[in-house]
Amino acid sequence: ETGVTQTPRHLVMGMTNKKSLKCEQHLGHNAMYWYKQSAKKPLELMFVYSLEERVENNSVPSRFSPECPNSSHLFLHLHTLQPEDSALYLCASSQWETSGFPDTQYFGPGTRLTVL
Amino acid sequence: AQKITQTQPGMFVQEKEAVTLDCTYDTSDQSYGLFWYKQPSSGEMIFLIYQGSYDEQNATEGRYSLNFQKARKSANLVISASQLGDSAMYFCAMREGRGAQKLVFGQGTRLTINP
Repeated sequence: ETGVTQTPRHLVMGMTNKKSLKCEQHLGHNAMYWYKQSAKKPLELMFVYSLEERVENNSVPSRFSPECPNSSHLFLHLHTLQPEDSALYLCASSQWETSGFPDTQYFGPGTRLTVL
Repeated sequence: AQKITQTQPGMFVQEKEAVTLDCTYDTSDQSYGLFWYKQPSSGEMIFLIYQGSYDEQNATEGRYSLNFQKARKSANLVISASQLGDSAMYFCAMREGRGAQKLVFGQGTRLTINP
């Protein structure tokens, strides 16, 4: 596998379900991100992890719970979601350099989530 | 106020023609970075090109070039000799500040290349 991979690619869940999205990066990066892309809205940053620590939580509801067990893996745990949470969820990774600009973010193919 | 503005919701271009996608940005930082991404219908965001605020030369990557006009706060993407495979959504994004990780995206432009 190369680049950034995401599983599953498509997910349909009910409002009472619990599911998890998985992201894996094979680029040797040390920062990972979750973005949400809704129809007719710009891409929104949800969470940033750098060196496995969460450095940003962009006012995301608690029904979304991220987990970063190591620099290569990122999860987004979902529970009691709402229909308006239906969207494309994109994972990205980059190299965070504290001495200068962080590197370009590279994205995975996304998980298209539908909440019924 | 919107940080990134892409004023063209859709563009239709004939194959082999050049196309310019507009992007203007708003920031008070001196250090920032500008990015263009391509998103085909499959959903993946593909990095195309980057321009740093201190870069004196316009960035180029193959058929892609970035027309960076700092005083006007514009960072237009130019695609030369367009191909059918260029049909996709194109997003302009900005990273503000030194060390910042957050990317702010525009609304995107849907580019359609006609044969």
